[in-house]
Amino acid sequence: RKEVEQDPGPFNVPEGATVAFNCTYSNSASQSFFWYRQDCRKEPKLLMSVYSSGNEDGRFTAQLNRASQYISLLIRDSKLSDSATYLCAVNKDFQKLVFGTGTRLLVSP
Amino acid sequence: EADIYQTPRYLVIGTGKKITLECSQTMGHDKMYWYQQDPGMELHLIHYSYGVNSTEKGDLSSESTVSRIRTEHFPLTLESARPSHTSQYLCASSEFGGRPNNEQFFGPGTRLTVL
Repeated sequence: RKEVEQDPGPFNVPEGATVAFNCTYSNSASQSFFWYRQDCRKEPKLLMSVYSSGNEDGRFTAQLNRASQYISLLIRDSKLSDSATYLCAVNKDFQKLVFGTGTRLLVSP
Repeated sequence: EADIYQTPRYLVIGTGKKITLECSQTMGHDKMYWYQQDPGMELHLIHYSYGVNSTEKGDLSSESTVSRIRTEHFPLTLESARPSHTSQYLCASSEFGGRPNNEQFFGPGTRLTVL
């Protein structure tokens, strides 16, 4: 089993839709969780950290479910510019993060 | 915006050449990382460092080597490039903070093609 797993997608949604992605992790001791956005042939950019209580940044909401060992990202009112690959990252130990393969989102007019 | 730089951004080189990919950050971060990523594929950690004079191999075996003589600088070297080394190489850094692992910030990457 992979340490971090994501549905590769693509998720095809119309503008204005709400879309959610999940990311499961295998290490129950993990304590740090992040969502990154990666555009085609570009570097990953930090979208948001995921806190235990859940957190929101504008149209983006991240949540952590420790019992089921997954994190989620909800995007409301999707924009064309949200089209990208969304990577989750989970700490492996005190030194490293493990990244998922990413979920591809395509927002269409 | 993260202040982490990589040069060159693109490199096309012949088999057998020695190459060094540069990575510098101005944030004073102790931890630095090198990842390899093929198109549409996941990031693979190939090297990391948690401070000056410390280097460790990552989860993916790589023929490259790294050095960390200065906090801000973490170059990656391939002694003899081969076509199998063709990939995108991404450098990242993070603080050595109180949490188990802080967020990593990435440089723009070097796209390497070995002919």
